[in-house]
Amino acid sequence: GAVVSQHPSRVICKSGTSVKIECRSLDFQATTMFWYRQFPKQSLMLMATSNEGSKATYEQGVEKDKFLINHASLTLSTLTVTSAHPEDSSFYICSASEGSLNTIYFGEGSWLTVV
Amino acid sequence: RKEVEQDPGPFNVPEGATVAFNCTYSNSASQSFFWYRQDCRKEPKLLMSVYSSGNEDGRFTAQLNRASQYISLLIRDSKLSDSATYLCVVRGNYGGSQGNLIFGKGTKLSVKP
Repeated sequence: GAVVSQHPSRVICKSGTSVKIECRSLDFQATTMFWYRQFPKQSLMLMATSNEGSKATYEQGVEKDKFLINHASLTLSTLTVTSAHPEDSSFYICSASEGSLNTIYFGEGSWLTVV
Repeated sequence: RKEVEQDPGPFNVPEGATVAFNCTYSNSASQSFFWYRQDCRKEPKLLMSVYSSGNEDGRFTAQLNRASQYISLLIRDSKLSDSATYLCVVRGNYGGSQGNLIFGKGTKLSVKP
């Protein structure tokens, strides 16, 4: 069974609204979580690294005020896409690892469509 | 130069064929190497790690050449269920994203009856 659960799996929202995606580790405490985005026919691109109890580290070109990441507990990280626009439509995937970073587990991904 | 580059594909092969995928990475500080499989509109799933000595898992063989910064995946006796996109993935303990996985764009494989 899945060890990282991501919700919702699909969401459609109106342009200008905000959407929250949750990533939960089910069987372990995830000290680090990663958020990726994948556009059609493109590779997964890291958006940010989320460490429990501290601010997320964003990759170059990713707006931290638009993509809000909260990692308030060892089992939950959330990504909020604020003021969504159609170009934000994409597949968002989280991954989580235990302290050693030796094994990284992926969530099932969330399809976001902004209309 | 992209950090992880793969064969562009797609590869269309008949059942039973042997197919090989190649991948190169740019950062010599990279520490761990993987092949992931991604089915259409799904999350990537780990296929196998790649070790310097080469490793095999059933019909799948992975090899790593650190000197050439080159990784390969060989699939023997292809099955219809092998149809997917294969992602070459590298992890390095460098920069601000410790532990981050860097993905290639993937190579699509279609196995035909």
